[in-house]
Amino acid sequence: GIQVEQSPPDLILQEGANSTLRCNFSDSVNNLQWFHQNPWGQLINLFYIPSGTKQNGRLSATTVATERYSLLYISSSQTTDSGVYFCAVERRGNFNKFYFGSGTKLNVKP
Amino acid sequence: EAEVAQSPRYKITEKSQAVAFWCDPISGHATLYWYRQILGQGPELLVQFQDESVVDDSQLPKDRFSAERLKGVDSTLKIQPAELGDSAMYLCASSPYPQGPMSSYNEQFFGPGTRLTVL
Repeated sequence: GIQVEQSPPDLILQEGANSTLRCNFSDSVNNLQWFHQNPWGQLINLFYIPSGTKQNGRLSATTVATERYSLLYISSSQTTDSGVYFCAVERRGNFNKFYFGSGTKLNVKP
Repeated sequence: EAEVAQSPRYKITEKSQAVAFWCDPISGHATLYWYRQILGQGPELLVQFQDESVVDDSQLPKDRFSAERLKGVDSTLKIQPAELGDSAMYLCASSPYPQGPMSSYNEQFFGPGTRLTVL
């Protein structure tokens, strides 16, 4: 398989603060996704980002495939951003099978 | 907006009983995934279908778990008999691969999940 490491494992922020979540992976990848798991357990798509940079409102993501990492930026955090953030990668040459990291648990306090 | 549907949302059962979960993927998505997520961990793939064919079930405990996608659309995951260690969230996802806009396009979309508790 492929190893996916996310850091930090836990993060506590004050509302309004900015943060950066990191995803490192051990092999070349075809695809990479970032998800937010809400308190009810559903995985919400944030970004589909095999390479480059994307932005969606207060969130942005950058994947540097050649250096095997991706970053998720959250600016002006809100309490609704709380939850667990997962990175999932599809290893190059192994289409379809995704490997998940263990997640970053974010708690945004009012 | 198209969504992945799952039922039931919650299931409580006693050990040694049989349980079944249902998933209806986004219309037109050829690939369907079943994942198991234990509390505090990331999802782990149990089985993956492309149309009606299983393409990966290497992590499926085949002595008690079975999965089918008979017509290449909706899917059922069954556990018989359930054990205490099966308590987890069971997630279904689908993707358009290999029929997306690009040959490598494979964005997954998840359903709400079924939370299983085995007593």
